[in-house]
Amino acid sequence: QVQLQESGPGLVKPSETLSLTCSVSGDSITSYSWTWIRQPAGKGLEWIGRLYYSGSTNYKSSLRSRVTMSLDTSKNQFSLKLSSVTAADTAVYYCARVGLTGGYYGDEAFDFWGQGTMVIVSS
Amino acid sequence: QSVLTQPPSASGTPGQRVTISCSGGNSNIGSNYVYWYQQLPGTAPKLLIYRNNQRPSGVPDRFSGSKSGTSASLAISGLRSEDEADYYCAARDDSLTDYVFGTGTKVTVL
Repeated sequence: QVQLQESGPGLVKPSETLSLTCSVSGDSITSYSWTWIRQPAGKGLEWIGRLYYSGSTNYKSSLRSRVTMSLDTSKNQFSLKLSSVTAADTAVYYCARVGLTGGYYGDEAFDFWGQGTMVIVSS
Repeated sequence: QSVLTQPPSASGTPGQRVTISCSGGNSNIGSNYVYWYQQLPGTAPKLLIYRNNQRPSGVPDRFSGSKSGTSASLAISGLRSEDEADYYCAARDDSLTDYVFGTGTKVTVL
């Protein structure tokens, strides 16, 4: 069974960089694509971007200038960096696998999710 | 502000059928697959429907999805108390090249 676990600082200061890691067990990160989603308290889901097993990326258009995603195949982990954060970036951040189907553009099911990690942006 | 619009709430009594709509456009629902996610209180979302109407293994057949043109819907038949959750539709949007989620619908079992 695939399991994902997010980790990282729960508190980030405004203007700094938010850094999260998603550790994957039960599967190789080179076999699938992966994604990050966030959810502000009491609000809906927001897709942040997708990381292909090749290392290429596809980011949400409005976040593109601040987002970086990368793979660490030696640790079977992938990461998210979001720069110049503000209070608006306060949210629960989830990592998930793009699986079940071929994962081609437009055919992307997020079939396994981490439990989520809360990140608060505050001085 | 999401490009996929859902009603904020829906409700029904146990055993009833509830339908949730998801309205989009030609660049998203009209040209790509629709997905549905269920989020129980305090938990991570769970994939409920993929490729418009397919259920992953383990999802009861009480849940069904459909798509027509630029709209999609999720139906829950034989409503149960454990179905009380938030439901989100999702799809790729070709104009934005983003994967977009719907605004979400809270289902209450009366």
